[in-house]
Amino acid sequence: QITLKESGPTLVKPTQTLTLTCTFSGFSLSTSGVGVGWIRQPPGKALEWLALIYWDDDKRYSPSLKSRLTITKDTSKNQVVLTMTNMDPVDTATYYCAHTSGGPSSGDFDYWGQGTLVTVSS
Amino acid sequence: QSALTQPASVSGSPGQSITISCTGTSSDVGGYNYVSWYQQHPGKAPKLMIYEVSNRPSGVPDRFSGSKSGNTASLTISGLQAEDEADYYCSSYTSSSTVVFGGGTKLTVL
Repeated sequence: QITLKESGPTLVKPTQTLTLTCTFSGFSLSTSGVGVGWIRQPPGKALEWLALIYWDDDKRYSPSLKSRLTITKDTSKNQVVLTMTNMDPVDTATYYCAHTSGGPSSGDFDYWGQGTLVTVSS
Repeated sequence: QSALTQPASVSGSPGQSITISCTGTSSDVGGYNYVSWYQQHPGKAPKLMIYEVSNRPSGVPDRFSGSKSGNTASLTISGLQAEDEADYYCSSYTSSSTVVFGGGTKLTVL
């Protein structure tokens, strides 16, 4: 079955760079149509789509955060990494990674990780 | 891109039907049949309930249905049950080749 799990620091300081890793199983990121995305949710607030990487290394970013985000994949390790620079307290949120298989024009996420809470504070 | 617009809250009694709207623009909801709906219980990850406007993933009860008219998509839950009480989010593919979520709707089962 498909599973995803996020890992990374739980606490980062303002201005630091956040690096999150999504380790998955049950699918291959070299299969046509498959992608892994990142979505975050500040405490008590709505979901916010951040980035998505597809099997063919096509990368998509939230326009409002594009300058701060980088998404990469390591197919051999079954991992997707998201980096976010210049972290600010408003970036405090639960960060989720999720699987999509609808191809590059769908964006529906059918499997999600459990999420990891990242707090930005000095 | 601006978040899709959803009502902050809706409520209904067990057995009733409710509808949650999701309003976007011609650059997202109105332009593509790639609207999804997610259910999120407190402290849990979101769960895909509807994809491509009206399709249900395996295992989702047929009490959940989706539709779209113009720039507005809708999620209807019929035969409301206590376990349906949760937050619901819509999302859409956009003309920028990205995805945008709605602001979320809290469903209360009275």
